[in-house]
Amino acid sequence: GEDVEQSLFLSVREGDSSVINCTYTDSSSTYLYWYKQEPGAGLQLLTYIFSNMDMKQDQRLTVLLNKKDKHLSLRIADTQTGDSAIYFCAEQRGSARQLTFGSGTQLTVLP
Amino acid sequence: DGGITQSPKYLFRKEGQNVTLSCEQNLNHDAMYWYRQDPGQGLRLIYYSQIVNDFQKGDIAEGYSVSREKKESFPLTVTSAQKNPTAFYLCASSTPGQPNTEAFFGQGTRLTVV
Repeated sequence: GEDVEQSLFLSVREGDSSVINCTYTDSSSTYLYWYKQEPGAGLQLLTYIFSNMDMKQDQRLTVLLNKKDKHLSLRIADTQTGDSAIYFCAEQRGSARQLTFGSGTQLTVLP
Repeated sequence: DGGITQSPKYLFRKEGQNVTLSCEQNLNHDAMYWYRQDPGQGLRLIYYSQIVNDFQKGDIAEGYSVSREKKESFPLTVTSAQKNPTAFYLCASSTPGQPNTEAFFGQGTRLTVV
């Protein structure tokens, strides 16, 4: 199975909050990331969190980290249609600090 | 503007042919990476390079080759040995010497074998 796991799909109504969840396996990971991918495009970094933090807020985005359970979540407040995309969580590991990605969560925002 | 550029955006290849995907960055990053993306499988690491003239295999290196002759460039060759090459390929770069190794991505190359 995947080292980093995410549910594949999430649908929310415009204006509601979205919560995308992720579990990872490497307890030595120092940074965890959330990337956004729009159709046919590369990945855009949304936010990241250092492993000694529990929470990070950046405008409409809130990241929660439960290191004990190896659980990471991304909350998007007031979700808009432009937020429809695939969201990837990633953990940093290895000597080259390469990123290991989850399978991505397809977020669909309904009007 | 600094960035990472992949070309071409779309590429078609006949079975049995090798093809090379280009990746160039002007961010002065030491490390560069190639990922393959298939639907529902996220990104898988093919090769990475931490410094010029050095590179390591990632999780799915079979059927691929790379070179790193210049800091700015990290081309990926998809050889005829790659059994299922049709995919979306993403190149990234970062500065692994710093604690936060945020990776910057190119816009990707979609390779189709016909």
